[in-house]
Amino acid sequence: ELKVEQNPLFLSMQEGKNYTIYCNYSTTSDRLYWYRQDPGKSLESLFVLLSNGAVKQEGRLMASLDTKARLSTLHITAAVHDLSATYFCAVDLGLNTGNQFYFGTGTSLTVIP
Amino acid sequence: DSGVTQTPKHLITATGQRVTLRCSPRSGDLSVYWYQQSLDQGLQFLIQYYNGEERAKGNILERFSAQQFPDLHSELNLSSLELGDSALYFCASTLGVMNTEAFFGQGTRLTVV
Repeated sequence: ELKVEQNPLFLSMQEGKNYTIYCNYSTTSDRLYWYRQDPGKSLESLFVLLSNGAVKQEGRLMASLDTKARLSTLHITAAVHDLSATYFCAVDLGLNTGNQFYFGTGTSLTVIP
Repeated sequence: DSGVTQTPKHLITATGQRVTLRCSPRSGDLSVYWYQQSLDQGLQFLIQYYNGEERAKGNILERFSAQQFPDLHSELNLSSLELGDSALYFCASTLGVMNTEAFFGQGTRLTVV
């Protein structure tokens, strides 16, 4: 079964600082997704990464995918309080498995003023 | 707003009861996925329907069942409810079987007492 691990599980960082969240997965896949979830809310799509070496940026967030290492990173630049949320990575194995997501454990990010 | 509608938003029921959760996918989307989010299990895939047919099954208990109707809305039926079934249940939809991005509804918070 596909395992998806994120670290850290909890992250407290000061405004203005940089940090990286890591997502490792156990089975070959070139399809990785990042979602954001605010407490008690739904999951909001952040990035869709569909090939080795894919890099996408939106505002202070940048995501990358290394399929050989089975690793994706979500880099936060100059954090602001509004980025406080839980971030999930998710992997799917493609058509044969129905494209369902295997989610990581989530990283709960708190940005402190 | 993702365009995926779930009802009800909250549900409180007693052990042993049966409930039905409803999901309307985004307009034009043919695939519906159900996920369960709980503190101890995280986000887990339950089941997927594509254009009315079951497409993939995950960690769905035998007490749970789902269907997708001709108008593409889906229902998740949970029966013989136990305390451990208390969770947030999300529905997601994608355009086709080979999705590149899934859009999640606001979820139904089920509390079993």
